[in-house]
Amino acid sequence: SQQGEEDPQALSIQEGENATMNCSYKTSINNLQWYRQNSGRGLVHLILIRSNEREKHSGRLRVTLDTSKKSSSLLITASRAADTASYFCATDELGGFKTIFGAGTRLFVKA
Amino acid sequence: DGGITQSPKYLFRKEGQNVTLSCEQNLNHDAMYWYRQDPGQGLRLIYYSQIVNDFQKGDIAEGYSVSREKKESFPLTVTSAQKNPTAFYLCASSKTSGRTYEQFFGPGTRLTVL
Repeated sequence: SQQGEEDPQALSIQEGENATMNCSYKTSINNLQWYRQNSGRGLVHLILIRSNEREKHSGRLRVTLDTSKKSSSLLITASRAADTASYFCATDELGGFKTIFGAGTRLFVKA
Repeated sequence: DGGITQSPKYLFRKEGQNVTLSCEQNLNHDAMYWYRQDPGQGLRLIYYSQIVNDFQKGDIAEGYSVSREKKESFPLTVTSAQKNPTAFYLCASSKTSGRTYEQFFGPGTRLTVL
């Protein structure tokens, strides 16, 4: 079952622009995480936001969480060509033991 | 260096063969996971283990088997019963299952059926 769904599926921007990706989910959660995957590689954890938090920052990353709308957004500011990757949201259901990943947003940053 | 390793990086299987993918971690993590990723898709959970000598089926366990005899190791066997095994396989570990801990991923094994 797929809990998180990212939007858009693909995004192409110029270097220096901001990139915004959205994630929607269906059930109540403990927390929501964002991961990054470079082509043909494993995933790398970016940021975790708990269900009682509304916003979190890490370097050029800003994550928001709206539990009433069951949605989250990941903002990458001042994007670089090296940010080109797929970005996945992942949720842990309340009372569950599994982390469920969405299908991802493929970001392409043109130099 | 602490981390999680997978081997081999590429694996080719003939029809009807069983193959085993290796996953080892030295992070002292209790929980380990196996995911399958198809081109352009997200991750689907095959099996997970919260503790040594215990494991649970994920969403797509049919045709796969695992063992967790040691904390550091969580090998995945792709059996001949798995009809469409060509995919990218990712192993991960975390301090504990789900909840508030991030997962650390290995570099993946790309399996191709000839």
